[in-house]
Amino acid sequence: EAGVTQSPRYAVLQEGQAVSFWCDPISGHDTLYWYQQPRDQGPQLLVYFRDEAVIDNSQLPSDRFSAVRPKGTNSTLKIQSAKQGDTATYLCASSGHYAEQFFGPGTRLTVL
Amino acid sequence: GDSVTQTEGQVTVSESKSLIINCTYSATSIGYPNLFWYVRYPGEGLQLLLKVITAGQKGSSRGFEATYNKEATSFHLQKASVQESDSAVYYCALSESSGSWQLIFGSGTQLTVMP
Repeated sequence: EAGVTQSPRYAVLQEGQAVSFWCDPISGHDTLYWYQQPRDQGPQLLVYFRDEAVIDNSQLPSDRFSAVRPKGTNSTLKIQSAKQGDTATYLCASSGHYAEQFFGPGTRLTVL
Repeated sequence: GDSVTQTEGQVTVSESKSLIINCTYSATSIGYPNLFWYVRYPGEGLQLLLKVITAGQKGSSRGFEATYNKEATSFHLQKASVQESDSAVYYCALSESSGSWQLIFGSGTQLTVMP
């Protein structure tokens, strides 16, 4: 069974540039999570979906970050105008209903 | 709010020695959280090591153990004899026992096992 896949694996941007991260969850998993993990910290939840619906995006900086999961499968997280403080690893995870979360390898973002 | 504290950012242990990685939690809005240990081996993604959802119970996996101590609000990770292959970053986490199962993580502990 294929795991959670993410792309790209690395991204380097100048401040003000936009970037998108893509996540393909495990087939059949209805819940998808996006986490931000700054260096030397634990992952922090940004947003999560059940099927195509956003369940909680209260930790997503809505002025610059957006996330969609239009068909309840793949998901895209976008940063409109990146800041140096956005430098972090972005993790995607998926789970069956109320079950264990499986994590992808992450996208390491550096904003110069 | 709810939080998880790991006091040691880095731990170095010699092979075959015992290990304890400390984890305490605060769950003011969650009555009885589920507790987890996740691990990230070098070059790999984050993966579940063990979980315990009932206070007083012990979870175990790959020689590691952790006991859910509700009175002390602790969930320390222990292993009697570590191996070089245990070198990794270990994260303690909690979630609600019902509802979303959103995870709240500690800051992680880098374990280095010396041969």
